Amino acid sequence: EVQLLESGGDLVQPGGSLRLSCAPSGFTFSDYAMSWVRQAPGKGLEWVSTVDNSGRHTYYSDSVKGRFILSRDNSRNTLYLQMNGLRADDTALYYCANQRPGSSNFDSWGQGTLVTVSS
Amino acid sequence: EIVLTQSPATLSLSPGERATLSCRASQSVSSYLAWYQQKPGQAPRLLIYDTFARATGIPARFSGSGSGTDFTLSISSLEPEDFAVYYCQQRSGNWWTFGQGTKVEIK
Repeated sequence: EVQLLESGGDLVQPGGSLRLSCAPSGFTFSDYAMSWVRQAPGKGLEWVSTVDNSGRHTYYSDSVKGRFILSRDNSRNTLYLQMNGLRADDTALYYCANQRPGSSNFDSWGQGTLVTVSS
Repeated sequence: EIVLTQSPATLSLSPGERATLSCRASQSVSSYLAWYQQKPGQAPRLLIYDTFARATGIPARFSGSGSGTDFTLSISSLEPEDFAVYYCQQRSGNWWTFGQGTKVEIK
């Protein structure tokens, strides 16, 4: 069974930093692209960032480009999202999701970790 | 950036009725269109990918259709557990976007 366990969400002040982690199981991590998708309270889904299976290529939405850094450690089976320069509109539940090789959708999702940016 | 517009925002139906949800793209998205279901307090779940294909374990009452810029998710006969919010999603190059969602509520 595929499981994705996010952690690292917290209350942080505007301008602060946070690192989210995602620990997957039930599939061969190094074969899958991985993504973060967020959902602000009461709002819809927003794609944040994707990394290919090797970790060599990363992609970001305009809203986080230059502030967030997505990385992965295939030897440790872990996905990371370094979030810098946090703003109030980054407040959301952050989901980790995997993507089968060659697919364009998000196959399995974690339960999310909550990031709150507030003074 | 391709914008996905879902309609209607809310669909009020009774169990056993057919639901038809629309997703319109601002430009052609080829066949990389997916649908997700999200219930309150839960993560989204993949229902349909590549426009037509049902994800593992998804009942046959869910079906996807469409091409180019117009796509549809159909639920042939609503079960009580189908009342939820549904999102469409596309990939264009290295950019992924979601529609704003359609809520299917009990009438």
